[in-house]
Amino acid sequence: KAGVTQTPRYLIKTRGQQVTLSCSPISGHRSVSWYQQTPGQGLQFLFEYFSETQRNKGNFPGRFSGRQFSNSRSEMNVSTLELGDSALYLCASTNGQGGYEQYFGPGTRLTVT
Amino acid sequence: GNSVTQMEGPVTLSEEAFLTINCTYTATGYPSLFWYVQYPGEGLQLLLKATKADDKGSNKGFEATYRKETTSFHLEKGSVQVSDSAVYFCALSEATDSWGKFQFGAGTQVVVTP
Repeated sequence: KAGVTQTPRYLIKTRGQQVTLSCSPISGHRSVSWYQQTPGQGLQFLFEYFSETQRNKGNFPGRFSGRQFSNSRSEMNVSTLELGDSALYLCASTNGQGGYEQYFGPGTRLTVT
Repeated sequence: GNSVTQMEGPVTLSEEAFLTINCTYTATGYPSLFWYVQYPGEGLQLLLKATKADDKGSNKGFEATYRKETTSFHLEKGSVQVSDSAVYFCALSEATDSWGKFQFGAGTQVVVTP
């Protein structure tokens, strides 16, 4: 079974631009979560989508948004990029079974200049 | 709210030494507990889990026991190898409709020297 895939793996953007990251969960998984990882703040939860609906949201500004499609693939969008948005963005999926473990993708490394 | 506290790193060990990484948690309900490992340049990999009190998770020589009375889930390995060098994260998830929302500790970097 293929794992969680994320595209692109690396991205360089300029302040003020917007960016869209993509995540394809493990086949059969209906929940997709997004996390931001930085050296200073560690792993912070952004949001979770389940069956195309946002079910949980972390404490991030409205510039961060996401969506989920009917095939469970998910995208997250960051508008008006700031230098502080530079981070590794991780996507994880789960099927809600067996203790609810999440399976993570390799991440997208976003650098804002 | 929920929170996870891990011992700060880096933890530097010699090969074949005993490893312990402390993890304590605060939760309102009965969470599932996890240890994840992250190697440089990669995402997180599930190392082990425990879903209820007194459960012991184990994998690749690592073990952790869910201790409700002390709200702890310490990670141990009896004999580490250089390949165990990585960052280790303790995490929890409530078994409610928030099971897609994990709370992670700050991570503990482990460096194993030959």
